[in-house]
Amino acid sequence: QSALTQPRSVSGSPGQSVTISCTGTSSDVGGYNYVSWYQQHPGKAPKLMIYDVSKRPSGVPDRFSGSKSGNTASLTISGLQAEDEADYYCCSYAGSYTSPGVFGTGTKVTVL
Amino acid sequence: EVQLVESGGGLVKPGGSLRLSCAASGFTFSSYSMNWVRQAPGKGLEWVSSISSSSSYIYYADSVKGRFTISRDNAKNSLYLQMNSLRAEDTAVYYCASQHRYCTNGVCYPAYYFDYWGQGTLVTVSS
Repeated sequence: QSALTQPRSVSGSPGQSVTISCTGTSSDVGGYNYVSWYQQHPGKAPKLMIYDVSKRPSGVPDRFSGSKSGNTASLTISGLQAEDEADYYCCSYAGSYTSPGVFGTGTKVTVL
Repeated sequence: EVQLVESGGGLVKPGGSLRLSCAASGFTFSSYSMNWVRQAPGKGLEWVSSISSSSSYIYYADSVKGRFTISRDNAKNSLYLQMNSLRAEDTAVYYCASQHRYCTNGVCYPAYYFDYWGQGTLVTVSS
């Protein structure tokens, strides 16, 4: 299973919206509604932000939203804030009972 | 509050062994599948291994199959990763992560996402 493809970096000014794409194939992203997103600040553990494509865990601000179209999933951060600057990773189930999922390559979000 | 605390990392020579531990608290550890996920310096996340709640199902990434062994002790709320024949490319921060589960009509099965993560432990393989 190959890593899902994400842009290396995206940036935006405070208050703006940014969208991170996560491109896979019909065998992973496109085949199942099991895409999750994780936020990771430098030197910290990943934190679950979105699961099952568009669901938000309790405590995650509603500025974070997820969606999917075909083989590409997206994470949108609306009303960008300074604390949103971090790395973001997508993850998708890939149809194998032997693995819970394959991660994306990661995207650095910079708040200008 | 859910807590996952890894330990056991360190510097080891190529070909050596290391055993990682993950102490869990704040949730019913024995009911959840657990995983190890690693991150090489400056790189992305890579799933390493998973173990079901009762240890009945164990899976490994191809990159560690035959060298790493995952296990758990539900009485001690602990997860382990025995790493043998270590290589330079195994150098990474190793995170333990719980896998959420769905329950319907009293039947539960693992979800496909990691809901809680530990802070990680660094493993460096170098001569």
